[in-house]
Amino acid sequence: GENVEQHPSTLSVQEGDSAVIKCTYSDSASNYFPWYKQELGKRPQLIIDIRSNVGEKKDQRIAVTLNKTAKHFSLHITETQPEDSAVYFCAASPPYSSASKIIFGSGTRLSIRP
Amino acid sequence: NAGVTQTPKFQVLKTGQSMTLQCAQDMNHNSMYWYRQDPGMGLRLIYYSASEGTTDKGEVPNGYNVSRLNKREFSLRLESAAPSQTSVYFCASSPSTSGHQETQYFGPGTRLLVL
Repeated sequence: GENVEQHPSTLSVQEGDSAVIKCTYSDSASNYFPWYKQELGKRPQLIIDIRSNVGEKKDQRIAVTLNKTAKHFSLHITETQPEDSAVYFCAASPPYSSASKIIFGSGTRLSIRP
Repeated sequence: NAGVTQTPKFQVLKTGQSMTLQCAQDMNHNSMYWYRQDPGMGLRLIYYSASEGTTDKGEVPNGYNVSRLNKREFSLRLESAAPSQTSVYFCASSPSTSGHQETQYFGPGTRLLVL
């Protein structure tokens, strides 16, 4: 089955700098890659997603890139702000089920230093 | 819309006790999911239901059972709780109507402590 690895597990950046989180997946058939943000004590919430027919997607300060050949995808946050502090999860979804099964990475705890 | 709701928010059980976690969604979604979240291990799928009347095992189904009561509700049952089941449990749902993979919407979670 699909396996998703995420790095780093913790990341601390200065406010205003950029943050990059990287993930790799094992199943070349996976075609949907969402990213979730989870604030302390809250539920995971989708922040951006990308499908396998697209190489890059951007939404304001957040961007995701996908390299299907290498089977890795990354989240880029520019001009980081204190409210970006949270745990971020990457995920991959293979098209083997009538449900939208998602396999999650282990998460990255991002801290923004003032 | 309330989205995805879960009850209870917090529960303490003794080893061997049973309980049912409730989940409901009002978004008319076809698919529903149960996850557990443990520190450093992300979210692991326990069971899912692609549509009303169907359920399937996920990554970590042992010790759990589920019921898709109707399109809105998907419950998770622990028949004989063990300390290893101490975790935060999230329910989620997705439309699953387009034939494409779609995002999931999560409930607020249930924090379970088994003593």
